Amino acid sequence: DVKVTQSSRYLVKRTGEKVFLECVQDMDHENMFWYRQDPGLGLRLIYFSYDVKMKEKGDIPEGYSVSREKKERFSLILESASTNQTSMYLCASSLGSGFRTEAFFGQGTRLTVV
Amino acid sequence: EDKVVQSPLSLVVHEGDTVTLNCSYEVTNFRSLLWYKQEKKAPTFLFMLTSSGIEKKSGRLSSILDKKELFSILNITATQTGDSAVYLCAPDQAQKLVFGQGTRLTINP
Repeated sequence: DVKVTQSSRYLVKRTGEKVFLECVQDMDHENMFWYRQDPGLGLRLIYFSYDVKMKEKGDIPEGYSVSREKKERFSLILESASTNQTSMYLCASSLGSGFRTEAFFGQGTRLTVV
Repeated sequence: EDKVVQSPLSLVVHEGDTVTLNCSYEVTNFRSLLWYKQEKKAPTFLFMLTSSGIEKKSGRLSSILDKKELFSILNITATQTGDSAVYLCAPDQAQKLVFGQGTRLTINP
């Protein structure tokens, strides 16, 4: 079974802190994604990556950056956390070839910024 | 701008009822459409639809895609309380999934 693991289930951080959310997948997937999920808004794509050291902006990249130094790991960075970044963050990965775009999700990190 | 609209946003039915969930989309570089079920945690994959008019079935769940009219439906027959969840549709836009808001389905015993 594909496993996507997010480092924390719950986080509470202060405004202005630098926050790192880590995601690791164990199936050698090429694609990795970071989404945030808010009530009434569904899942919105923050950043994605098709390969090591490669990143693309999604729909809402402002206030975030990412790092992919190894194929299995994709990190989301909040440079200076703000209260409007309080949300559920979901990491996902997919195989990346042909039509096999089924994405597998991690359990999510609920981040609260106070 | 890419758009995915699911309806209804919320639905409450009794156990044993049949439900139909709708998803309409407008995305560039469309390749396929995926349905996910989300209970309390991570979304879990249900179906991937790539061709119009071909129904996919898994037990009491079935889904179909219309690429001409740009919509998909998800049917659940003989609903059970375990079907209570948020159902998400996601067109695949060149390997990037674009999600709708989801339909929150509640099944009452």
